[in-house]
Amino acid sequence: EAGVTQFPSHSVIEKGQTVTLRCDPISGHDNLYWYRRVMGKEIKFLLHFVKESKQDESGMPNNRFLAERTGGTYSTLKVQPAELEDSGVYFCASSRGPAGNTEAFFGQGTRLTVV
Amino acid sequence: KQEVTQIPAALSVPEGENLVLNCSFTDSAIYNLQWFRQDPGKGLTSLLLIQSSQREQTSGRLNASLDKSSGRSTLYIAASQPGDSATYLCAVSNTDKLIFGTGTRLQVFP
Repeated sequence: EAGVTQFPSHSVIEKGQTVTLRCDPISGHDNLYWYRRVMGKEIKFLLHFVKESKQDESGMPNNRFLAERTGGTYSTLKVQPAELEDSGVYFCASSRGPAGNTEAFFGQGTRLTVV
Repeated sequence: KQEVTQIPAALSVPEGENLVLNCSFTDSAIYNLQWFRQDPGKGLTSLLLIQSSQREQTSGRLNASLDKSSGRSTLYIAASQPGDSATYLCAVSNTDKLIFGTGTRLQVFP
């Protein structure tokens, strides 16, 4: 069984540009999460999908971030326009049930550097 | 607001030692607690999941305990090996999301 996969593994972009991160969850996992770790800080929640619906997007920093999960399969996280403070590692996780009940599996992360 | 703290922030030990990593959380109303391992440049690997009704979980040389009422969990690593070197993260869930601590960076030297 394939794990959670994320693309790209690294991205370096200039301030003001747009970047799109992709996450492919484990097959059959309805729950998909995005998290982010900025330098020196703990990993923080961004948002949660159940199938194609946004269940909780309370962690999204601002309206420059847009997440989608069309068809309830893979998800994308777009940052437009990117700012310096958006640099960090973006993790995707999936689980069969909600995080409160079942184990969450994480991807390897996308390291985003905004210069 | 739930806050998760991990102590120590870093730990360096010789091979063979038994280790205890600590995790504390401020709100005891959790659904579960999960321990992860992160290797440099890699993702998070789930080690152990303890449901709120459980006291401990074991996997190989790892044992995690949970004392929900006091807001504490410990991860015990027996007979440490250089391959155990990594950052260990604990995360609690009291809604449908995980709240992470900042981690303990462990180095086990031969």
